[in-house]
Amino acid sequence: QQQVKQSPQSLIVQKGGISIINCAYENTAFDYFPWYQQFPGKGPALLIAIRPDVSEKKEGRFTISFNKSAKQFSLHIMDSQPGDSATYFCAASKYNQGGKLIFGQGTELSVKP
Amino acid sequence: DAEITQSPRHKITETGRQVTLACHQTWNHNNMFWYRQDLGHGLRLIHYSYGVQDTNKGEVSDGYSVSRSNTEDLPLTLESAASSQTSVYFCASSERQIGAEAFFGQGTRLTVV
Repeated sequence: QQQVKQSPQSLIVQKGGISIINCAYENTAFDYFPWYQQFPGKGPALLIAIRPDVSEKKEGRFTISFNKSAKQFSLHIMDSQPGDSATYFCAASKYNQGGKLIFGQGTELSVKP
Repeated sequence: DAEITQSPRHKITETGRQVTLACHQTWNHNNMFWYRQDLGHGLRLIHYSYGVQDTNKGEVSDGYSVSRSNTEDLPLTLESAASSQTSVYFCASSERQIGAEAFFGQGTRLTVV
C-alpha cells in the first residue's frame, strides 16, 4: 500500500512563481518528513526536512508546511528558478530509523524562463 | 572526499541470470540501504542493513538478497533476474545517530531482457 501519497505528478511554473507540492501520510508513527531533490542521472539529495513538533520550516526559498492533524505536509518553492527544475520526492520515516524512508511517487517540476 | 559509489552504472542482462550490483561507501556509515526507482512508485526499499552481519527485508525484497561482510559494502544480488526487475537501483547510507541524513549513490540502471 502507498503510505505516502504525493501530488501533483508534474508541475510547470513560470520563473519567479511559487511551486507547491503536497504529500499525505497514513502512519501516525512517522515523525520525520524529509524532501529530496533529484536531477536527471543523479541520486536524490536531501533538500529540507521537518519534524512534527513544528508547523513550518524555512531554508532560503524552500519552506515545508506541516499539518499534523490532517497528516499532510507540503513543499513551497518561492521565486522558482529554472535551476530548480528537477524531480522532488517527499518521504516519511521514524526519526530513529536513519535512511529507512517511505517515499511519495515524485513530482517532476519544470520552471519556464 | 567521502562518497558512495555504485557499479556498474548501466547493465543489460538476460532473464534468469544472477546479477550483483555493487555499493561502496567511504563515510564509515553503519546504515546502508537499497532502493529501486520506478515511474509512478517513487523509490521503494528493497533491503537494508544497520551494521556488519545485519540485513533486513524492505517493502519489495522478493527476488533480491544482500550481505554485509564489512562496513563499506552492501552488494545487491538478483538471484534470477526477471523483466519486472528492470529498474533504476539506488544505494544509500547514513550514520547510526538519530535523524541522520541519508546519502544516495548515482544509481544503476538495470535492464532485464
